[in-house]
Amino acid sequence: GAVVSQHPSRVICKSGTSVKIECRSLDFQATTMFWYRQFPKQSLMLMATSNEGSKATYEQGVEKDKFLINHASLTLSTLTVTSAHPEDSSFYICSARVPNGRETQYFGPGTRLLVL
Amino acid sequence: SQKIEQNSEALNIQEGKTATLTCNYTNYSPAYLQWYRQDPGRGPVFLLLIRENEKEKRKERLKVTFDTTLKQSLFHITASQPADSATYLCALAPQGAGTALIFGKGTTLSVSS
Repeated sequence: GAVVSQHPSRVICKSGTSVKIECRSLDFQATTMFWYRQFPKQSLMLMATSNEGSKATYEQGVEKDKFLINHASLTLSTLTVTSAHPEDSSFYICSARVPNGRETQYFGPGTRLLVL
Repeated sequence: SQKIEQNSEALNIQEGKTATLTCNYTNYSPAYLQWYRQDPGRGPVFLLLIRENEKEKRKERLKVTFDTTLKQSLFHITASQPADSATYLCALAPQGAGTALIFGKGTTLSVSS
């Protein structure tokens, strides 16, 4: 099946710093990728839809200036958490849909962010 | 309001039994519904997709049913094994293919030997 990777898998940073998370589709091209956030014992919550070559579409309540998304190529989307605060600590997961009209989404392994 | 609910937060069963997980939704008309497995600290892994015109789908020991009248999907694991212990998520795409998924909170299944 299709493989999606994320880097880093785990990051600890100080409050006020910025953190970049990469999401790559390894064996297919993804025109659309999705970024989710998951708090403990909660469901995955969609943050934004990342479209290659255009601006991301953010869900209501997600600050686009705080969570910067760049989808510069068909295999790479990045999420930058700017000026991170402890409440941004969470599990960030990206997904990509295999093209050709398939509905299945393939998820990355997730990135655990801890802001001290 | 729109909701997708997985009724049980946790389900404990003995090895060899059939696990049945429930997913209910309201105020959606999904073209299909998906089930994922998520292990602790990992991303979800796709298991099965069932379309609105399909009553049942099987894959090895897994079976999914979809009742659009009841707005419910049931997920069954037969002959369960300790390795099946994980959190199972149901998800739907409210606007069809190409759109993001809306997830339930998940049911954590524990299979004891």
